[in-house]
Amino acid sequence: EAGVAQSPRYKIIEKRQSVAFWCNPISGHATLYWYQQILGQGPKLLIQFQNNGVVDDSQLPKDRFSAERLKGVDSTLKIQPAKLEDSAVYLCASSLGGQGGDTQYFGPGTRLTVL
Amino acid sequence: GIQVEQSPPDLILQEGANSTLRCNFSDSVNNLQWFHQNPWGQLINLFYIPSGTKQNGRLSATTVATERYSLLYISSSQTTDSGVYFCAVGASWGKLQFGAGTQVVVTP
Repeated sequence: EAGVAQSPRYKIIEKRQSVAFWCNPISGHATLYWYQQILGQGPKLLIQFQNNGVVDDSQLPKDRFSAERLKGVDSTLKIQPAKLEDSAVYLCASSLGGQGGDTQYFGPGTRLTVL
Repeated sequence: GIQVEQSPPDLILQEGANSTLRCNFSDSVNNLQWFHQNPWGQLINLFYIPSGTKQNGRLSATTVATERYSLLYISSSQTTDSGVYFCAVGASWGKLQFGAGTQVVVTP
């Protein structure tokens, strides 16, 4: 069974530029998560989708971050414009879904450096 | 939100040693997971354990939900066990709050 796929693996941009990350979850997983992990910290949830609907985006900086999950499968996370403090690893995870939560499986992440 | 505290923050072990990692949380949860982040950054799910005890090879975990803590046991540690161990908890559907992690280094 294929795991969670993410691309690109690395991205370097200058501040005020825009960037997009892509995630393809494990086949059949209804729930998809985007996390931000700053160096030395645990991951922080940015947004959670159930199929193609948003369940939680309370920690998403909506003035610059956006995410979508069209057709309830793969997802894109965008930052526009990027700031220096957005330098982090962006992790995508998926789970089968369901009340009470399920085991989450993580992709390899995208390491973003904002100069 | 729920506060998650992990201890110790750092742990250095000699190969073959046993260790216990602890996770305390501030409120009732219905979701608790342990993860291992390897030196290349990949997060691997070790256990989904909101209560009770589970074992998987040299690893085992126990969660005492009524006392709001969970323990991860590593026995006969190997160098491949090095990395950061995260405890993550949730009170609502799917959403997880991660602790700061325990950095484990296993020396040959």
